[in-house]
Amino acid sequence: GAGVSQSPSNKVTEKGKDVELRCDPISGHTALYWYRQSLGQGLEFLIYFQGNSAPDKSGLPSDRFSAERTGGSVSTLTIQRTQQEDSAVYLCASSSVPGNLQYFGPGTRLTVL
Amino acid sequence: QKEVEQDPGPLSVPEGAIVSLNCTYSNSAFQYFMWYRQYSRKGPELLMYTYSSGNKEDGRFTAQVDKSSKYISLFIRDSQPSDSATYLCAMSGVVNTGNQFYFGTGTSLTVIP
Repeated sequence: GAGVSQSPSNKVTEKGKDVELRCDPISGHTALYWYRQSLGQGLEFLIYFQGNSAPDKSGLPSDRFSAERTGGSVSTLTIQRTQQEDSAVYLCASSSVPGNLQYFGPGTRLTVL
Repeated sequence: QKEVEQDPGPLSVPEGAIVSLNCTYSNSAFQYFMWYRQYSRKGPELLMYTYSSGNKEDGRFTAQVDKSSKYISLFIRDSQPSDSATYLCAMSGVVNTGNQFYFGTGTSLTVIP
């Protein structure tokens, strides 16, 4: 079956612009996670959605970052007024049961000039 | 103290060697133990997982969990150049208010032909 998909695969933007990153989880997965991975670094948790519950936003680094999940499926991560330090790979993962096995998408590589 | 500790390496071995990758953890509530493989410029791929303690074998890969020592290992036999990647351990369980998921920072492995 189809895995987690993310778009775009690469995004180059200018400092100060807003960007939107999209994640399509595995069909039927109720849990969705966003992570950030800087070059040579581990995974940094950003936000977690579970069904219709309020998302866990505890990992968002600033109020320039926000995310939504529509209809319990597709999620969009928005970064406003991008800064150079936002350059990283943004990874999305989904899980059929919260806290269980996570399956990752290929990531979106964001470069802020 | 971090929830999960993983030696970042890098680890370099000759082809055919046995590789041992390890993680330690602090929370006895963890129940799922996972290993992810991440090739350069790709998303993490779930390689193996174990529920609770014990061993699991899949081809050249063996995952071990020692809950008494809070220590997990991934062994790769007859290592191949195609095994060159970053390996991340991960674990999950009910911590405080709900299911939590933690990743190690990853160990970079290079298998030299």
